[in-house]
Amino acid sequence: ETGVTQTPRHLVMGMTNKKSLKCEQHLGHNAMYWYKQSAKKPLELMFVYNFKEQTENNSVPSRFSPECPNSSHLFLHLHTLQPEDSALYLCASSQDKTSGSDTQYFGPGTRLTVL
Amino acid sequence: QKEVEQNSGPLSVPEGAIASLNCTYSDRGSQSFFWYRQYSGKSPELIMFIYSNGDKEDGRFTAQLNKASQYVSLLIRDSQPSDSATYLCAVGSASKIIFGSGTRLSIRP
Repeated sequence: ETGVTQTPRHLVMGMTNKKSLKCEQHLGHNAMYWYKQSAKKPLELMFVYNFKEQTENNSVPSRFSPECPNSSHLFLHLHTLQPEDSALYLCASSQDKTSGSDTQYFGPGTRLTVL
Repeated sequence: QKEVEQNSGPLSVPEGAIASLNCTYSDRGSQSFFWYRQYSGKSPELIMFIYSNGDKEDGRFTAQLNKASQYVSLLIRDSQPSDSATYLCAVGSASKIIFGSGTRLSIRP
């Protein structure tokens, strides 16, 4: 399998549930990203990992918890979410994060609905 | 002022015509510029990137960059109905990439 994959593709959860989103990249990249995309809003960068180290956390609420066990895998752990957290969550990867000229490749996304 | 600004559209273009999409940015230190296409319900797909002033052509697509005026544009020649999508402009500096909110393009038969 090539490219960037994400599972699950769709997720419906209650506000008291705990769930995890998974991202895997098969491109040999060293940087991975989580984005949130809500309707009619720009992509919002949530977290960045470069060589497994978290390099950015854009003031994301603690109910979102990222984990990057290695350069190929990225998780987003979710707990006690709010309905306004419903959105498309996109994972991306790039060669590395040393410069902003690095091209990012996106996974298909997880469509999350919080009831 | 938004860091990366795009007209939200919708931009309606007849089939076969040239579609012109524009993007302006605020950070003069920006070094890299990307155009992504996003179909409804799908993830963004890279179309082109450009780093230097001038034009860069790839098939029916041409990216134009003017750093002095801080704008980047995307031209789509011979527009097809399959080009109907939202086009995201992304601008990269030394430490980050910022996405615009996208322009919705509609190609009418």
